[in-house]
Amino acid sequence: RKEVEQDPGPFNVPEGATVAFNCTYSNSASQSFFWYRQDCRKEPKLLMSVYSSGNEDGRFTAQLNRASQYISLLIRDSKLSDSATYLCVVNPHTGNQFYFGTGTSLTVIP
Amino acid sequence: ETGVTQSPTHLIKTRGQQVTLRCSSQSGHNTVSWYQQALGQGPQFIFQYYREEENGRGNFPPRFSGLQFPNYSSELNVNALELDDSALYLCASSYRGNYEQYFGPGTRLTVT
Repeated sequence: RKEVEQDPGPFNVPEGATVAFNCTYSNSASQSFFWYRQDCRKEPKLLMSVYSSGNEDGRFTAQLNRASQYISLLIRDSKLSDSATYLCVVNPHTGNQFYFGTGTSLTVIP
Repeated sequence: ETGVTQSPTHLIKTRGQQVTLRCSSQSGHNTVSWYQQALGQGPQFIFQYYREEENGRGNFPPRFSGLQFPNYSSELNVNALELDDSALYLCASSYRGNYEQYFGPGTRLTVT
């Protein structure tokens, strides 16, 4: 079983729509969680850390559900510039290894 | 503040050759991690360096090795290159204890 699993999409949504991505992880001892954004042929960029209490940054909201072992990312009022691949990342803090999902592709359509 | 830099940007090698990739960490960061990203996949953790020592390793064979220098910069060495080693190699730096990582632009390696 993979450490981190994401729906690869693609998600094609109109401008202004709300879209949500989920990501599940297998190691219940995982401690740190992140969402990264990766544009085509570019490096991943940190979008936000995910805290147990959930956190919001403008149009982006991240949630963590430890009981069900998933994290989510909600994007409100989608912009064309949100088109990218969104990577879920989990770090169990043992072995210093970060586990990335395969990414979810989002295209925002005018 | 200087971000993470990597060199070279692109590289073409022949199967069986050896390659060295370089990474300079973001200023203030003392930990460097290396990742391999194949097309259509998420980055796969190769290893991490802290205080010039390997501090965690993913599921990669010993022909993948690394170094970290006193200025926290790092090298990734790959011996006996195979066709499957063709990928984007990413370096990420962080400050020990803070798990937020920042990536460099990557080195795209093609093995023919």
